[in-house]
Amino acid sequence: GDSVTQMEGPVTLSEEAFLTINCTYTATGYPSLFWYVQYPGEGLQLLLKATKADDKGSNKGFEATYRKETTSFHLEKGSVQVSDSAVYFCALSTPGKLIFGAGTRLAVHP
Amino acid sequence: NAGVTQTPKFRILKIGQSMTLQCTQDMNHNYMYWYRQDPGMGLKLIYYSVGAGITDKGEVPNGYNVSRSTTEDFPLRLELAAPSQTSVYFCASSYQGGEYVDTQYFGPGTRLTVL
Repeated sequence: GDSVTQMEGPVTLSEEAFLTINCTYTATGYPSLFWYVQYPGEGLQLLLKATKADDKGSNKGFEATYRKETTSFHLEKGSVQVSDSAVYFCALSTPGKLIFGAGTRLAVHP
Repeated sequence: NAGVTQTPKFRILKIGQSMTLQCTQDMNHNYMYWYRQDPGMGLKLIYYSVGAGITDKGEVPNGYNVSRSTTEDFPLRLELAAPSQTSVYFCASSYQGGEYVDTQYFGPGTRLTVL
């Protein structure tokens, strides 16, 4: 069945470092792909999304490109800030619901 | 436009008690969902609804019940609470016009402890 696999965390970085969080998926059909972010004590918020192959989603300095050939949707940011510390979830759409990855915790230190 | 609202924010239950978690959305979304998130874990889908009067089981439905009498409301009922139901519960909604689900919008969550 459809599934999402994310790199395990936690990911610990210094401020201004480059971030990559890997996400790969297995799906039939043509799903949309999403990255959600969860700040401490809050619900999930949409960070970015891509609806078809080769689309790039971007928001707040984060980017991810929908790669059909490698079934990947890796999240990147060129220079992280302490305020980016959160849990990041990759997800794909299916008929009726989203399938979420397990989440990757990011901790950014000054 | 408040989005997705949930009440209560926090609740402590004794084993065997029952309660209803409330969820309301004002975006006229047809799809609504209930998830639970255990500490340090991802989301698990409990139930979802594709429209008023229609609900379906998710990954972990045992011990819960739902109803959807209106587009806006999707309450989650816990009967005979157990310690294993200690978790944070999130409600979400989305609009689906085609085959695949689009962006889900989440409420702030209800933190439930069963002692």
